[in-house]
Amino acid sequence: DAGVIQSPRHEVTEMGQEVTLRCKPISGHNSLFWYRQTMMRGLELLIYFNNNVPIDDSGMPEDRFSAKMPNASFSTLKIQPSEPRDSAVYFCASIRDTRSYNEQFFGPGTRLTVL
Amino acid sequence: AQSVAQPEDQVNVAEGNPLTVKCTYSVSGNPYLFWYVQYPNRGLQFLLKYITGDNLVKGSYGFEAEFNKSQTSFHLKKPSALVSDSALYFCAVRVNNAGNMLTFGGGTRLMVKP
Repeated sequence: DAGVIQSPRHEVTEMGQEVTLRCKPISGHNSLFWYRQTMMRGLELLIYFNNNVPIDDSGMPEDRFSAKMPNASFSTLKIQPSEPRDSAVYFCASIRDTRSYNEQFFGPGTRLTVL
Repeated sequence: AQSVAQPEDQVNVAEGNPLTVKCTYSVSGNPYLFWYVQYPNRGLQFLLKYITGDNLVKGSYGFEAEFNKSQTSFHLKKPSALVSDSALYFCAVRVNNAGNMLTFGGGTRLMVKP
């Protein structure tokens, strides 16, 4: 199994540009999470999908952030327009939801730098 | 609401000495507790979890953790630290029947010196 796949691994963009981060969860996993990690705020949950449906998006910081999961094998996190304070490492994680105590599997992350 | 506290931002230990990384939690229900490790420029990796049963849980890389219900703690331990254990460690909690969302602690940086 290739694990959770995220792309790109690094993204450098200018303020005001649109940024799209991508995630492919582990096959057979039906819950997906987007996290953001910064030195100041640590690890924050942005949004959580179950069976492709957003369950909790209370962590999404602003309307500039949006996430979609069109099918069980793909999700995107979009920031439009991007701002320097969005610079962070964004992680995607997935879990097989057959038992509530399964562990989440994390992708390698996307390091976003907004200039 | 559930919460996790990792009271130490950093723990320093000499190689070969035992290590402890502390974690306390607050939940209104039966907790499921997890430890994850993050190496530089990598995602979080699962180390171990407590669901039920024996309070002492053994995990990857020789790590173990002890669930203490009365003290609401789940400290991570290892009898003999290695330099390669140096990383960022996260404790997390989930409450039974509360979905799959984890609440993470702020993380503790473990530095093992030769």
